[in-house]
Amino acid sequence: QVQLQQSGPGLLKPSQTLSLTCAISGDSVSSNIATWNWIRQSPSRGLEWLGRTFYRSKWYYDFALSVKGRITVSPDTSKNQFSLQLNSVTPEDTAVYYCARREAAGNYFDYWGQGTLVTVSS
Amino acid sequence: DIVMTQSPLSLPVTPGEPASISCRSSQSLLDSKGYTFLDWYVQKPGQSPQLLIYLVSNRASGVPDRFSGSGSGTDFTLKISRVEAEDVGVYYCMQALQVPPTFGGGTKVEIK
Repeated sequence: QVQLQQSGPGLLKPSQTLSLTCAISGDSVSSNIATWNWIRQSPSRGLEWLGRTFYRSKWYYDFALSVKGRITVSPDTSKNQFSLQLNSVTPEDTAVYYCARREAAGNYFDYWGQGTLVTVSS
Repeated sequence: DIVMTQSPLSLPVTPGEPASISCRSSQSLLDSKGYTFLDWYVQKPGQSPQLLIYLVSNRASGVPDRFSGSGSGTDFTLKISRVEAEDVGVYYCMQALQVPPTFGGGTKVEIK
């Protein structure tokens, strides 16, 4: 059974960097049949996919245009986890952030983290 | 990006009665190998979203058979044959054909 455990601060000031980590158990961040994703949810934007990383002989990364240039998604094979960094946050980045595994064959998100409410406020 | 549109926004249902949610995509979700990449998720109160149905009509592990999905191309439907109290939550469709994956706005199912 795959489990994803999120950690990271929930309160930031504008211009700071959001940093979250998703620890994986029951699977490997280097899996050849999964991708590792970050998704956020807010009342104004609904569920919004932010980015992903995955390993297919080398590491790949994809990001949403809405956050491209501000986002980093990094795998950590030594700790079997992956992380999200979002730079220069504004109040519009206030949301619940989820990590999620996407199964490659069916392209569905089959495992989700518990969610982290991140509030950006001065 | 592919735009996903759901209706209705809210769906009050009497226990034991059926319920139906519609989802429309701005372009066909059929890929070149014949698969249609449309999923349904449910977010129960206070929980993360969870997979309900994938590839239009395949129930995820542990999902009761009162849930069914249908549709093709750009028009899809999620049906609950007999709603139970535990089915309350917000239901989302999601297209998985292209990156970025995109979600519908959600349909809130509540008990009358």
